[in-house]
Amino acid sequence: GQQVMQIPQYQHVQEGEDFTTYCNSSTTLSNIQWYKQRPGGHPVFLIQLVKSGEVKKQKRLTFQFGEAKKNSSLHITATQTTDVGTYFCAGDAGNMLTFGGGTRLMVKP
Amino acid sequence: NAGVTQTPKFRVLKTGQSMTLLCAQDMNHEYMYWYRQDPGMGLRLIHYSVGEGTTAKGEVPDGYNVSRLKKQNFLLGLESAAPSQTSVYFCASEIQETQYFGPGTRLLVL
Repeated sequence: GQQVMQIPQYQHVQEGEDFTTYCNSSTTLSNIQWYKQRPGGHPVFLIQLVKSGEVKKQKRLTFQFGEAKKNSSLHITATQTTDVGTYFCAGDAGNMLTFGGGTRLMVKP
Repeated sequence: NAGVTQTPKFRVLKTGQSMTLLCAQDMNHEYMYWYRQDPGMGLRLIHYSVGEGTTAKGEVPDGYNVSRLKKQNFLLGLESAAPSQTSVYFCASEIQETQYFGPGTRLLVL
């Protein structure tokens, strides 16, 4: 079945440093979504990417969808303590969403 | 507008006991999902429903049953709980390919 891998599993950064998480799918995706889960909370939808090579920005967050529609990345510029949480990608291959294992971001003030 | 709610928030079961987790949404969404979340494994789909009266198996359906008798409710049942079912359970509803999650139910099976 479809597999979605995410790396790294954990990342510690100093506040102000940049952060990137990568997502790779075993199959071509129709779209990819990103979610954020704060500690003790529930996943919250951030964004959806649909087109090959698409790049979207939300303030300090930049999301990319690969040309082959099998990989994606989330980059956070100048992290803040409010960015703490686990970031999940979720790939849609046409039937259901498959979530990656998530990247847990920890930010030292 | 409460969004997606889950009942109970926390439960402790003994091996072999049964229970039902309730998910309710007031957004009139057709699609609903049950996931379990375990450390380092992300969210894994248990069962889902594309509308009232319909259900389908997800990635890890064994040991669980579901029902969607009313559009707004999606029930997840454990007939005979096992320690391997200790997890955090999230329900979600979906519209326009965006999923909205409930706050989760933390289940501990002893």
